[in-house]
Amino acid sequence: AQSVTQLDSHVSVSEGTPVLLRCNYSSSYSPSLFWYVQHPNKGLQLLLKYTSAATLVKGINGFEAEFKKSETSFHLTKPSAHMSDAAEYFCVVSESGYNKLIFGAGTRLAVHP
Amino acid sequence: NAGVTQTPKFQVLKTGQSMTLQCAQDMNHNSMYWYRQDPGMGLRLIYYSASEGTTDKGEVPNGYNVSRLNKREFSLRLESAAPSQTSVYFCASSELWTGAKETQYFGPGTRLLVL
Repeated sequence: AQSVTQLDSHVSVSEGTPVLLRCNYSSSYSPSLFWYVQHPNKGLQLLLKYTSAATLVKGINGFEAEFKKSETSFHLTKPSAHMSDAAEYFCVVSESGYNKLIFGAGTRLAVHP
Repeated sequence: NAGVTQTPKFQVLKTGQSMTLQCAQDMNHNSMYWYRQDPGMGLRLIYYSASEGTTDKGEVPNGYNVSRLNKREFSLRLESAAPSQTSVYFCASSELWTGAKETQYFGPGTRLLVL
């Protein structure tokens, strides 16, 4: 069975410093992996997705993630945090061949001035 | 394009009452989904509709029913609400059901409180 573990429930950074949100997954097949962001009282927005092409995936708003099969990881990074990045981030895996998403528990990112 | 819209935005029910959550998408997508989001947990799939005329259970279907009214609309019904159904409900859509590369687009959510 597929599963997703987000290693940090809360991450706090200062504005202008790097962001690292960690995600490990378990999958029997070649997975598709996604990062979604949810701003307060809003729906979910796709940041980026990995679908077996390049292992380094670039997304919106300066975020990127690297698929590491040997480590079963898909960590999300950004070189410099902005106040507007404060939100909850979900790492998501999709069952092979089907659009059934398995969500991690989420990481709440706080950005301080 | 409005994308995925949901009504109502917020609802308070008493235990045992019924209600229907509405969802519509204007992207001509074939597949639609209902999720619930609880504190400290990611979204969990309640029901999905791979295409117009079909519906299937997801991870947590108990206490819910769905109707795929047409290609645009997918409703979620609580026949007899329970406090355990207090949650935020999200509707989503995607162009196809098959193909793990498909992106799901989410609505803004409905906050439901069952007293």
